[in-house]
Amino acid sequence: SAVISQKPSRDICQRGTSLTIQCQVDSQVTMMFWYRQQPGQSLTLIATANQGSEATYESGFVIDKFPISRPNLTFSTLTVSNMSPEDSSIYLCSARLDEKLFFGSGTQLSVL
Amino acid sequence: AQKITQTQPGMFVQEKEAVTLDCTYDTSDPSYGLFWYKQPSSGEMIFLIYQGSYDQQNATEGRYSLNFQKARKSANLVISASQLGDSAMYFCHNFNKFYFGSGTKLNVKP
Repeated sequence: SAVISQKPSRDICQRGTSLTIQCQVDSQVTMMFWYRQQPGQSLTLIATANQGSEATYESGFVIDKFPISRPNLTFSTLTVSNMSPEDSSIYLCSARLDEKLFFGSGTQLSVL
Repeated sequence: AQKITQTQPGMFVQEKEAVTLDCTYDTSDPSYGLFWYKQPSSGEMIFLIYQGSYDQQNATEGRYSLNFQKARKSANLVISASQLGDSAMYFCHNFNKFYFGSGTKLNVKP
């Protein structure tokens, strides 16, 4: 199994600012993913982040708004840029290992 | 489009009884896998069970089993002997596309 440390666990931010979320995996993994989840709803895939290549974004998500870094096989960051209240959500990172997805504990973001 | 469908937004089950949570999928891939995850109110995502498209037998993990019907493209989760701690959201997930179904909120009644 894999343990993923995600931080911050929660933050309250002002509109127009940016927040960077970090995820550290205790195993080397090729594929990492970033999801967004609104309360009571399912997870929506933002992007896939493979080490050594540019992140692949899903429809409705763009690199300028959600830049992702993947500098090595154990670490990734997601930045939520120029935030608005509509970005308030839970953001989850995950890593694929042994055909399973393991998840960080999530970042609860509130934008005022 | 490849998608996962969970048609039960909410389910109730009496403690100690069995419950089935539905999941159907739409894929054109010859090889695929389906997962179930549990998300309690704490928000963590917990892996429960996995079924590969070429697996000959239905997957089982303790009280969890999958009723996999490939021709019908369904992979229903069966929880036996429900416990109060089973109350949570349950998500079906497509291995190939990393998409999740809309989820089923299960409430176990004492």
